[in-house]
Amino acid sequence: RKEVEQDPGPFNVPEGATVAFNCTYSNSASQSFFWYRQDCRKEPKLLMSVYSSGNEDGRFTAQLNRASQYISLLIRDSKLSDSATYLCVVNSNDMRFGAGTRLTVKP
Amino acid sequence: GAVVSQHPSRVICKSGTSVKIECRSLDFQATTMFWYRQFPKQSLMLMATSNEGSKATYEQGVEKDKFLINHASLTLSTLTVTSAHPEDSSFYICSALRGAPDTEAFFGQGTRLTVV
Repeated sequence: RKEVEQDPGPFNVPEGATVAFNCTYSNSASQSFFWYRQDCRKEPKLLMSVYSSGNEDGRFTAQLNRASQYISLLIRDSKLSDSATYLCVVNSNDMRFGAGTRLTVKP
Repeated sequence: GAVVSQHPSRVICKSGTSVKIECRSLDFQATTMFWYRQFPKQSLMLMATSNEGSKATYEQGVEKDKFLINHASLTLSTLTVTSAHPEDSSFYICSALRGAPDTEAFFGQGTRLTVV
């Protein structure tokens, strides 16, 4: 079993749609969790950290369920500029990435 | 945000030669840096975790004698691909971990290696 598993995607959605990404991790001792965004041929950049209480940043909502070892990212009112690959990252003394989920938002 | 500089951004080398890639954290000290490899249309795969002043921890399947990692200071880690072959052609990217309380990994711009 992979240490970090994500929805394989790809997700193709119209502008304005709501889309959700899921991620599970295997190491129960994992300390911190993140969602990164990677544009084509660029380095990943932090989108948001994920806290136990859940957190929201504008149209983006991240949630963590430690009992189920599951994190999620919800994007509301998606924009064309949201098209990218979204990477789930779990820190267990090393930063492990999920395979990434590609999102394409279409007009 | 914090800056991590990776150099070179692109390199073409002949088969059998060695290539060194540098990763520098410019405005914070990073006791831990990570090296990843990404093949086209695939995710980042962790190659090794580099800790300042100690030997790197390599992931299963990554040859430590082929991918030499040196983390001699809190702001610099290097990856040397020795005796490169065409199958080593890939996008190599480093990240530096800023610790608590605001833990975050910052990435270098990546190095596109082509071995001919």
